[in-house]
Amino acid sequence: GESVGLHLPTLSVQEGDNSIINCAYSNSASDYFIWYKQESGKGPQFIIDIRSNMDKRQGQRVTVLLNKTVKHLSLQIAATQPGDSAVYFCAEIAGLSGGGADGLTFGKGTHLIIQP
Amino acid sequence: NAGVMQNPRHLVRRRGQEARLRCSPMKGHSHVYWYRQLPEEGLKFMVYLQKENIIDESGMPKERFSAEFPKEGPSILRIQQVVRGDSAAYFCASSPNRRIAAFFGQGTRLTVV
Repeated sequence: GESVGLHLPTLSVQEGDNSIINCAYSNSASDYFIWYKQESGKGPQFIIDIRSNMDKRQGQRVTVLLNKTVKHLSLQIAATQPGDSAVYFCAEIAGLSGGGADGLTFGKGTHLIIQP
Repeated sequence: NAGVMQNPRHLVRRRGQEARLRCSPMKGHSHVYWYRQLPEEGLKFMVYLQKENIIDESGMPKERFSAEFPKEGPSILRIQQVVRGDSAAYFCASSPNRRIAAFFGQGTRLTVV
């Protein structure tokens, strides 16, 4: 079946460095993507989203890049801080513009570890 | 403006008992989604509801699981005759419009013993 998945289960970076978390998706009908951050014992927290008619979107210290040709999504976090340590999930939904399932499909997550 | 509120945060049930999980959406949100998360896994969509209506329950197990979102009060996810495999974190999300589940609650962690 089609799914959303992440390339690496754990990513360790030095504090202050930039982080890049990758995500591959297989549903070509996906047209809306969201990155969530989940800290231990808490619910997912919305970080940034992007629609399929865009290639790039920037937020505060975060940038999401979408490559529809290879069905790849990435989250870039600039100047990582200890508070960025968490599990990051990409999620996708197909048919936002009409039709398709109503639930987000989540990948398994990447655990980002910030080294002091 | 309070966020999505779920209770209880932790719930322990013996096999065969019923579990009731409650979710109050954010103020002004009429769309509610339930997700299940197993340890070290992503979230799996279960059901999407609007007030008094189940819109999409394609992720719900066919037996023992039910959900409602009455006109008044919180959304309820009910699991009857729980089994050990039901042990998981159950998250609720709400949104002001469909197909965007941007705001999640803190979850209910169900343990079946």
